[in-house]
Amino acid sequence: QSALTQPASVSGSPGQSITISCTGTSSDVGGYNRVSWYQQHPGKAPKLMIYDVSKRPSGVSNRFSGSKSGNTASLTISGLQADDEADYYCCSYAGSRTYVFGTGTMVTVL
Amino acid sequence: QVRLVESGGGVVQPGGSLRLSCAASGFTFSSYGLHWVRQAPGKGLEWVAFIPHDGSGEYYADFVKGRFTISRDNSKNTLYLKMDSLRTEDTAVHYCAKGDGGSGSPDYWGQGTLVTVSS
Repeated sequence: QSALTQPASVSGSPGQSITISCTGTSSDVGGYNRVSWYQQHPGKAPKLMIYDVSKRPSGVSNRFSGSKSGNTASLTISGLQADDEADYYCCSYAGSRTYVFGTGTMVTVL
Repeated sequence: QVRLVESGGGVVQPGGSLRLSCAASGFTFSSYGLHWVRQAPGKGLEWVAFIPHDGSGEYYADFVKGRFTISRDNSKNTLYLKMDSLRTEDTAVHYCAKGDGGSGSPDYWGQGTLVTVSS
């Protein structure tokens, strides 16, 4: 149950697109289409942004999109805005009703 | 709307015990699995445990196996986490989260309750 690997930080200017990677193994990310992404502002609870690799919950901007290739999932934020500055975490199903989170990525809007 | 409210956090000595509760409303509680997820100060999210909608099983991260027990009372719309043999490294905000109806991944989260293990 090792944490999924994410870059510690990603930055971009307003209006730009950024992509956050989430690398696991064939036992988690690569084995199931059950990757979700969460946004967390300081002192707040996480908020679901993407589930089942690429599905967006109702109310989440279509500037957020998800994908997966092999053992790596990705979250892309397009048209970067100031309010997108937050920590982002991926989460994957890991079999036998267990789950694993990523190490987290701090997104900075320059 | 979905609401999850955790309670029961506090300061406890190493080796001690604590029971967290999570009161749920705004959805059919007995139809969804539930998670506990924790976050140590300044650190990332860690999945702790999962219980199916009917309480038919309990699933844990390796680092809490044998020390923590997840349970639920569907008649009270409440989720629990009993924590025994607490260690200083268990200090964290503990969140309860509702599982998505399909994949089971956490979707809605509570605001968390802080557990501090210190002598």
